[in-house]
Amino acid sequence: DAKTTQPNSMESNEEEPVHLPCNHSTISGTDYIHWYRQLPSQGPEYVIHGLTSNVNNRMASLAIAEDRKSSTLILHRATLRDAAVYYCILRFSNEKLTFGTGTRLTIIP
Amino acid sequence: GAGVSQSPSNKVTEKGKDVELRCDPISGHTALYWYRQSLGQGLEFLIYFQGNSAPDKSGLPSDRFSAERTGGSVSTLTIQRTQQEDSAVYLCASSFGGMNTEAFFGQGTRLTVV
Repeated sequence: DAKTTQPNSMESNEEEPVHLPCNHSTISGTDYIHWYRQLPSQGPEYVIHGLTSNVNNRMASLAIAEDRKSSTLILHRATLRDAAVYYCILRFSNEKLTFGTGTRLTIIP
Repeated sequence: GAGVSQSPSNKVTEKGKDVELRCDPISGHTALYWYRQSLGQGLEFLIYFQGNSAPDKSGLPSDRFSAERTGGSVSTLTIQRTQQEDSAVYLCASSFGGMNTEAFFGQGTRLTVV
């Protein structure tokens, strides 16, 4: 499995943008980059995914480096509800979805 | 139902007993995953079903654990002769097949072995 590296934890002020980084230097050409998050006491939920181009949805934006060896999940205006563990995952073909340790995001009021 | 449904939501069992955990995936989803999460820990992959392919059982921690998926829909995770270290939240997820699809998770079954 291609691996991802994320910081263990990050803090951000409420109503500020948050940039969550992920390194995936061994990514292959067909790996999709997926982001999930897990709110306290809940199952994980899908956030966003992309292949090469930057992606936007109602929850977040995903910025993918030109060489695809890193990506950044952007929360444009953090709220207290965004406090969660964020997972960056590479998906290839029909392989299982493998979660790493993720980044624990704390939002400061 | 609109989402992935797991039952029971909570289960307390005595050490040595067998338990069955059920997962109802979203209708039409061909992929189904089981994970477990011990308190304060990350998600540990257990088993993955994809269509008619042989399941990926590489995450099952011992032969006390087994899972089946009947008719490509409902799945049951069985733990035989439960041990205290089996206490965890067991999460199920489903998705359409492929790397370009999102997985939807259930709320989990909290298993406590006493």
